[in-house]
Parts: sequence; structure tokens; C-alpha cells
Amino acid sequence: QQQVKQSPQSLIVQKGGISIINCAYENTAFDYFPWYQQFPGKGPALLIAIRPDVSEKKEGRFTISFNKSAKQFSLHIMDSQPGDSATYFCAASRGNYQLIWGAGTKLIIKP
Amino acid sequence: DVKVTQSSRYLVKRTGEKVFLECVQDMDHENMFWYRQDPGLGLRLIYFSYDVKMKEKGDIPEGYSVSREKKERFSLILESASTNQTSMYLCASSLLAGGPGNEQFFGPGTRLTVL
Repeated sequence: QQQVKQSPQSLIVQKGGISIINCAYENTAFDYFPWYQQFPGKGPALLIAIRPDVSEKKEGRFTISFNKSAKQFSLHIMDSQPGDSATYFCAASRGNYQLIWGAGTKLIIKP
Repeated sequence: DVKVTQSSRYLVKRTGEKVFLECVQDMDHENMFWYRQDPGLGLRLIYFSYDVKMKEKGDIPEGYSVSREKKERFSLILESASTNQTSMYLCASSLLAGGPGNEQFFGPGTRLTVL
């Protein structure tokens, strides 16, 4: 019940396309859902996060969509660029407890 | 600027050696974490610490120990390195353990190879 399941494991998208990464969870007590971005040779860094009281959050080309009833949330990257090529991790937490991480998605944007 | 530094970017050790991985943060954060990252398995928590001299086991603590003698420094120790501990090790810190605004800041990682 503590797991966060992330898919796909890898994704190839053409430049200008929309990249979509999905995550699902079981624990309805989770109340914070961040996405982290990791470039090769670097540690992950917070990209965008959402709380379950909103269904969508947008920051530039990055949008989190949240479906509380389905217990799913997803990251959408609009107009994907080669510079977006990275590994993306979703995560979830409850209150002040530690983050539970998804397995990661390696995204490659083809020029 | 927020910074988490790790003592080595690359490390090669022999089976049976004792290995120390050091992590230092300059943000006065209470919480520090050690993860290992393996392809297809994501980030797996080894240990975390919520205060000086305090530690909690994560999901995969076997074969590892930790030390936090000062707030800014968190060390990961492999008592007797084995080949299955070859991995990327990431250190992180955060003001609080989880929840909104409790962003985890990561170091660049140490790629450890055990021969």
C-alpha cells in the first residue's frame, strides 16, 4: 500500500511532441505528490509538485494532472525539447513522513 | 546557493574492503538521506537521519551503516563491500522529512564499483 507505481520505464518522443509519464498509488492518505528531474551525472531536483485538493498544476511546459478518484497522477511535458531528456521520478508522501518514490522513467527527446 | 556535496564522484573498491561515503550539506537541514539508484529500481532508501546521532533504517539497510556526528555531515559505511553493492549512491537533505515545501536536495552522486 506504500508503493508508487510509475510507467513507462522508458519513453522516446519526437521534438515538439507531448511526453506523458504516469504514476499510481494505493495509500489514500498521501497528500503531497512531487516530480523530480534527473540529468545524467546529476542528482534529482524538484521539478513540480501538487497537493490533492487541485486537479492540475502547470509551470511553463510542465503540467501535473491529478485524478484523486483513480489514485493516479501524471506529468505532461508540452512541446518536448531535447533538453528535457532526463530521468523523471514521481513520489508521494503523507504528512511529514518521508517520500515514497516511483521507479523512474528515462525520457529521450529525438531532434 | 543550496549545496549538498559528496566526497567522491567515482570510487573503485575491492570485495571485503570497508568503504566510507561522505555527504555534507550547507543548508542547516534536519533530515539527511542515503539512497542507492539502480536501473529499473529507481531510488531506494538505505538510511535516513532526522537529527544528529539519530538514524532510521530505510528499505534496504542490510550491509550498510551510517553515522551522523554533526548536523551537516552524514556518512554511509559499507562494512565489508560486496559486488552486489556496486551502484550509484545519492545523498539528500531536507528541512523536514516529507510533505509540501520539504524539497529534498541531492548531491551529484558517487558511482561505486566493487571488484
